Amino acid sequence: DGGITQSPKYLFRKEGQNVTLSCEQNLNHDAMYWYRQDPGQGLRLIYYSQIVNDFQKGDIAEGYSVSREKKESFPLTVTSAQKNPTAFYLCASGDRAGDGYTFGSGTRLTVV
Amino acid sequence: QKEVEQNSGPLSVPEGAIASLNCTYSDRVSQSFFWYRQYSGKSPELIMSIYSNGDKEDGRFTAQLNKASQYVSLLIRDSQPSDSATYLCAVTTSNTDKLIFGTGTRLQVFP
Repeated sequence: DGGITQSPKYLFRKEGQNVTLSCEQNLNHDAMYWYRQDPGQGLRLIYYSQIVNDFQKGDIAEGYSVSREKKESFPLTVTSAQKNPTAFYLCASGDRAGDGYTFGSGTRLTVV
Repeated sequence: QKEVEQNSGPLSVPEGAIASLNCTYSDRVSQSFFWYRQYSGKSPELIMSIYSNGDKEDGRFTAQLNKASQYVSLLIRDSQPSDSATYLCAVTTSNTDKLIFGTGTRLQVFP
C-alpha cells in the first residue's frame, strides 16, 4: 500500500540534544513538507522540498534542518538551537498543491 | 489578515443535525480548496476537495465554494458522534505551490 511512514511515533529529547525524525513515502510524490503542530494550534510549515537536493525554509525554520537526498525520504533534524521543540511533527507529500497533501501519522516529540 | 481564517469553535451540534463549518481566504486567485479532518492526537485526513464554484457532495459531506465572496464551507448532514474532530480548511496560494491551512474548527457532536 502506498503511503507516508513517519518514525518514531514518540520521541524524547534531552536538553542540548539533536534528534532526527524520519519521513519516507512510496507515493512517488515530488514534493514533501514538514509541519509542526502545538496543542490547540494550526499547522506551521517548517521546511519543504519540491525536488531532490533542493529545499526551502518555511515559516518557522529556525532550529531545524532537513535534507532531501532521495525522492522518497525527507528527514527532519531538531537541533539544540530549537528552544521549544515539544510538539507534534507532521510530514506530508504531494505532487502538486492543487491535488492536496497526504500526511504521515506524525511524531510526538517531548523534551525531558 | 490571516490568509485562511476559520472559527476555532467548538461548534456543538446534536446527533442527526447538520453541522456547518466555514472558512474564508484572502488570495483572490486561489484555485484549489480542501477540507481535512483531524481526530485528537492523529494526523489530518483529506475528506473533500473542491475547485469550482458551487456544491460538491460526497456521502454525508457537501463542500460549497463561492470564489466571489472568497469563502468555502463544509456541511455534514446527519452528524454522528464519530464526526467529532477538528476540521482544517486548506487553500492553494497563487505565488507558490503550497497549501495554506487554517487553524481549524473543533466540532463536537453530542448524542
